[in-house]
Amino acid sequence: AQSVAQPEDQVNVAEGNPLTVKCTYSVSGNPYLFWYVQYPNRGLQFLLKYITGDNLVKGSYGFEAEFNKSQTSFHLKKPSALVSDSALYFCAVSFSSGSARQLTFGSGTQLTVLP
Amino acid sequence: EAGVVQSPRYKIIEKKQPVAFWCNPISGHNTLYWYRQNLGQGPELLIRYENEEAVDDSQLPKDRFSAERLKGVDSTLKIQPAELGDSAVYLCASSLTSGPSTSYNSPLHFGNGTRLTVT
Repeated sequence: AQSVAQPEDQVNVAEGNPLTVKCTYSVSGNPYLFWYVQYPNRGLQFLLKYITGDNLVKGSYGFEAEFNKSQTSFHLKKPSALVSDSALYFCAVSFSSGSARQLTFGSGTQLTVLP
Repeated sequence: EAGVVQSPRYKIIEKKQPVAFWCNPISGHNTLYWYRQNLGQGPELLIRYENEEAVDDSQLPKDRFSAERLKGVDSTLKIQPAELGDSAVYLCASSLTSGPSTSYNSPLHFGNGTRLTVT
């Protein structure tokens, strides 16, 4: 079965420190991978995606993610966290289903950056 | 560009009552999605339209939920009658795609959602 997992419900990090939000997936074929961020009472906003090519993907607000095929992971990273990065982060994976593709979201990781 | 617009932002109804949500996608986006997001969970697809055609409604509870996208632009999602378990945030999203094989290649643009509370 196709799935995506975010093993940590909550991540706390001090401002200025590097942050990592983990994501692993289980799909057959070539996955397309996405990260979205959700602020309170708002919809999801796109951060970055991996389709093909360079395994290190750079996105909005200084975030980046590394596609690791052998570990089936797509962890979100930022070298120096800001208090304003505190939000709910969702990993999503798109996979082939017949002639079309489907998209599945993880359950989300609440990131809190402490001043 | 204007984003995805949803209304209302909040809705409180009693169980067994009907409710409707409205969504206006980003201009030019041919694909429109309705998602349901329960508290503490990721969004789950209810229905996806390509233009005016519903191409994936496998997760839509058709006994009580219905949706339409007349003229391939804005869309409405209706629940009749509502149940306590329908309390959730209903998100609309849109994207520009060139067919089912390219679905989800492009990022989805989400509205701010409608928070439904059924009492």
